[in-house]
Amino acid sequence: DTGVSQDPRHKITKRGQNVTFRCDPISEHNRLYWYRQTLGQGPEFLTYFQNEAQLEKSRLLSDRFSAERPKGSFSTLEIQRTEQGDSAMYLCASSPPNRGNYGYTFGSGTRLTVV
Amino acid sequence: AQSVAQPEDQVNVAEGNPLTVKCTYSVSGNPYLFWYVQYPNRGLQFLLKYITGDNLVKGSYGFEAEFNKSQTSFHLKKPSALVSDSALYFCAVSDNTDKLIFGTGTRLQVFP
Repeated sequence: DTGVSQDPRHKITKRGQNVTFRCDPISEHNRLYWYRQTLGQGPEFLTYFQNEAQLEKSRLLSDRFSAERPKGSFSTLEIQRTEQGDSAMYLCASSPPNRGNYGYTFGSGTRLTVV
Repeated sequence: AQSVAQPEDQVNVAEGNPLTVKCTYSVSGNPYLFWYVQYPNRGLQFLLKYITGDNLVKGSYGFEAEFNKSQTSFHLKKPSALVSDSALYFCAVSDNTDKLIFGTGTRLQVFP
């Protein structure tokens, strides 16, 4: 297992378009998290799943954002009608049930640029 | 509500000197504390964590952190800095809700 994978690494889209990102967690990790990081800021929590159940959503996650983890494995984050303020790095992380020895393992992120 | 403060935007240190990156936290209940490092255009890499036990936690790449409950601090330290340690460092806290709350980050610059 090579860790948490995110696809694509970069995405440039025009304002108003929809985008979808994918995250593949470490296979034995049942928890999956999405974070957003803007320039000069720390990552901000968006949402998290335990298996296929979405357990918590931040107020940052507007109605334009939706996340799924249909089979408890990979997850997708969709942003509809993108706005320039959505430009950020979107980070995915996963963890085992007891957080393990390494806490959360992060992917390399998807950098979204809305033009 | 949980929160983390990293009071320094940037820390500059000469190679070979000790370094400290500061972090204070606020959380109800017992804190789970983490340090992560981020290199340009990369995700976050785990350095170390405190859950319980010894107040001095040793982590990756020679880093360590000291948990101080009375001062609600979890400062990151290294006895001898390397140029390759130059990166963005994030402190994070979690309670039993399981999500991480991050500080704004501190840029560490180690000069040769």
